[in-house]
Amino acid sequence: DAGITQSPRHKVTETGTPVTLRCHQTENHRYMYWYRQDPGHGLRLIHYSYGVKDTDKGEVSDGYSVSRSKTEDFLLTLESATSSQTSVYFCAISAADTQYFGPGTRLTVL
Amino acid sequence: EDKVVQSPLSLVVHEGDTVTLNCSYEVTNFRSLLWYKQEKKAPTFLFMLTSSGIEKKSGRLSSILDKKELFSILNITATQTGDSAIYLCAVANAGNMLTFGGGTRLMVKP
Repeated sequence: DAGITQSPRHKVTETGTPVTLRCHQTENHRYMYWYRQDPGHGLRLIHYSYGVKDTDKGEVSDGYSVSRSKTEDFLLTLESATSSQTSVYFCAISAADTQYFGPGTRLTVL
Repeated sequence: EDKVVQSPLSLVVHEGDTVTLNCSYEVTNFRSLLWYKQEKKAPTFLFMLTSSGIEKKSGRLSSILDKKELFSILNITATQTGDSAIYLCAVANAGNMLTFGGGTRLMVKP
């Protein structure tokens, strides 16, 4: 399972509230990614990180920010959640030119 | 803009049937093509293909890449109910950023 955990696994929140999702890895991988998965869209990259304090935007970064203060943790923050951010969020790491995914967080914004 | 298209969108077969899933792509600076299987959880890695014409095989699953025609196929022989899942195709560019297709939903009936 590539040693990736995500928390929380499920969250229901209200529009306008801040939300932070956490991705934790135990194998010291340099690259980490946040994706969202929606019906009909497959997986889309939100942000990624290539080291501590080094992050960059993906395809659908609007409304999201990230931080990586330690190699093992990559945080995704929705500053003010909207209903369009209801989705399943997956974290991934890169190893041997392949990306491996965490178990996912199902976020519902009411 | 990189693009990955999978077909069919969904497929229903009976146990023992053989299925072929298709993936076509357009990508700047192609690095590799990856197949994932997704049941009710995170995508799990199946194959990574980088060279044309070389078949990758794992049990009843096999895949091949055609870099000239820009497509890949995933074959599953003697299907079982446990093969029921969404199959995702993704293409990596030179920076190892993945672009995913929308997936093919396979249902295998007993």
